[in-house]
Amino acid sequence: DAKTTQPPSMDCAEGRAANLPCNHSTISGNEYVYWYRQIHSQGPQYIIHGLKNNETNEMASLIITEDRKSSTLILPHATLRDTAVYYCIVRAVDNYGQNFVFGPGTRLSVLP
Amino acid sequence: GAVVSQHPSWVICKSGTSVKIECRSLDFQATTMFWYRQFPKQSLMLMATSNEGSKATYEQGVEKDKFLINHASLTLSTLTVTSAHPEDSSFYICSASRGSETQYFGPGTRLLVL
Repeated sequence: DAKTTQPPSMDCAEGRAANLPCNHSTISGNEYVYWYRQIHSQGPQYIIHGLKNNETNEMASLIITEDRKSSTLILPHATLRDTAVYYCIVRAVDNYGQNFVFGPGTRLSVLP
Repeated sequence: GAVVSQHPSWVICKSGTSVKIECRSLDFQATTMFWYRQFPKQSLMLMATSNEGSKATYEQGVEKDKFLINHASLTLSTLTVTSAHPEDSSFYICSASRGSETQYFGPGTRLLVL
């Protein structure tokens, strides 16, 4: 079973920031938080991951709470092409041979 | 970033035939590859984990004699759906790990069995 909970769907206006929450209250100290997204009929695309510090890259920012029990993925200026299902996943550090367990994710709809 | 390809991107076959799907890591060596299946409006479900040069590890409920996995090299894994039936119609996705904490996913292969 997935170790994360996410809202099933969210809407966001084009050009505004999209803030996608994720709860992972049972996360262990050696587990990363990963975010992937899946645009319709494509394979999942890596977005970002982090352990305990906030992270930022060219796609998004990841804010992890101090107790690490929840996180937020931020798309700073959402576009129509950001419409996708977003998956929040936790996985142990150094366990490269372990698969990702996908939950139902959040279906983000960016509206014009 | 690392690129994973799949071939074919889609395939239609008759019931009872076998279909082979290839997964390649194009610019890195993948120590481990994973095969997932996704039915419409559902999330990805892991089918098997494949390590180069060894037998694949199948998830509970996945028939190893029906879904043959070969990981012959560090850049290629294949999934063969033997004697395919309409219920095997699905979106098959592979992912690859190069020994880092990130996995990279292929674009998927859509299989339709008539």
